Amino acid sequence: DQQVKQNSPSLSVQEGRISILNCDYTNSMFDYFLWYKKYPAEGPTFLISISSIKDKNEDGRFTVFLNKSAKHLSLHIVPSQPGDSAVYFCAASGFGNEKLTFGTGTRLTIIP
Amino acid sequence: GAGVSQSPSNKVTEKGKDVELRCDPISGHTALYWYRQSLGQGLEFLIYFQGNSAPDKSGLPSDRFSAERTGGSVSTLTIQRTQQEDSAVYLCASSPDSTGKETQYFGPGTRLLVL
Repeated sequence: DQQVKQNSPSLSVQEGRISILNCDYTNSMFDYFLWYKKYPAEGPTFLISISSIKDKNEDGRFTVFLNKSAKHLSLHIVPSQPGDSAVYFCAASGFGNEKLTFGTGTRLTIIP
Repeated sequence: GAGVSQSPSNKVTEKGKDVELRCDPISGHTALYWYRQSLGQGLEFLIYFQGNSAPDKSGLPSDRFSAERTGGSVSTLTIQRTQQEDSAVYLCASSPDSTGKETQYFGPGTRLLVL
């Protein structure tokens, strides 16, 4: 049972435009959500997180939105840059649940 | 300022052999996690350590898998009698504590191929 789902395996966006990556979850006990970015042959690196008490968190070009009622979060990258080309993983954790549950990832390609 | 390191970076083994994968977490991080990523899949939780104890082993796929952590630092993941389905990238992460709300910092992974 996939508790965290990223339904788009890949996404291509023109440089300078907005990239929107989506993630859905099913477990209502999740209360903390993270996005990780992964380059080939490297481990995932933390990008941005959001607690369930918020609906938006912004860090530079990256903004994460959380819609608790829809159990949906999204990552917006604007403007998109070639260095943003990577695989993006959505992850979630719940109260008293230390492990992260990951989605299957979305490969983002920024077209120059 | 060393990050999480893992060794070996790549391991090719024959079916039925045992393998040991090593993780050196960031100094001072009390929590250590093992995940694996099979081809086309997301990261799958295996086990986590708080200090030297493992409160959650729920992700270990079978009793062929075991892990230990000594001195609150280095951890070893052992796979006995490897099978082809064990082929994956094994990732280790560490964090300052184990609330699940602290950022987990990942190592580069060990790519295991079982022939």
